[in-house]
Amino acid sequence: KAGVTQTPRYLIKTRGQQVTLSCSPISGHRSVSWYQQTPGQGLQFLFEYFSETQRNKGNFPGRFSGRQFSNSRSEMNVSTLELGDSALYLCASTPQGPDTQYFGPGTRLTVL
Amino acid sequence: AQTVTQSQPEMSVQEAETVTLSCTYDTSENNYYLFWYKQPPSRQMILVIRQEAYKQQNATENRFSVNFQKAAKSFSLKISDSQLGDTAMYFCAFTPMNRDDKIIFGKGTRLHILP
Repeated sequence: KAGVTQTPRYLIKTRGQQVTLSCSPISGHRSVSWYQQTPGQGLQFLFEYFSETQRNKGNFPGRFSGRQFSNSRSEMNVSTLELGDSALYLCASTPQGPDTQYFGPGTRLTVL
Repeated sequence: AQTVTQSQPEMSVQEAETVTLSCTYDTSENNYYLFWYKQPPSRQMILVIRQEAYKQQNATENRFSVNFQKAAKSFSLKISDSQLGDTAMYFCAFTPMNRDDKIIFGKGTRLHILP
């Protein structure tokens, strides 16, 4: 089976812009979770989607949003980018319930 | 609130030595999963080992083994015969087994294997 894929791998944006990141889970996996990873804050949970519904949410401002499509692919959007949003964004998928998460390679977002 | 604590931010060991990474967690759950994930410099996060809390036997994967102490809420990772390729950030993680809850990660331990 193909692994979790994330596009794009690298992205450079300027403050105030918005960005959309995409994640395709492993075939058959219905749960997709998103994480923000920065050197200072470590790995922080953004949200989880299961069957097109947000099932869990972390403590991030409303500028961070996501959605999941019927084929389980997920997107996350960050509006009005700030310098502090520069990070590695990881997505992970699981078949459905709590269990091993399979991670994608990440999207490195740089905000100038 | 459920928490995962990794008390060693950074460690260095010589190649071929054995190293143990510590992890403690706090939960009122009885059934849960515990994980160790590895994130090498390439940034791809991969699963190292997984433990189900109801199993008393410690999980083992080749050179990687855990010491799971449920009563003490401790879940340490032992790497035997360490190799240069083991250089990575290691994250301990927890998730309840029977609830659709998020996985909780520790802050990680940066491990350097020295030649």
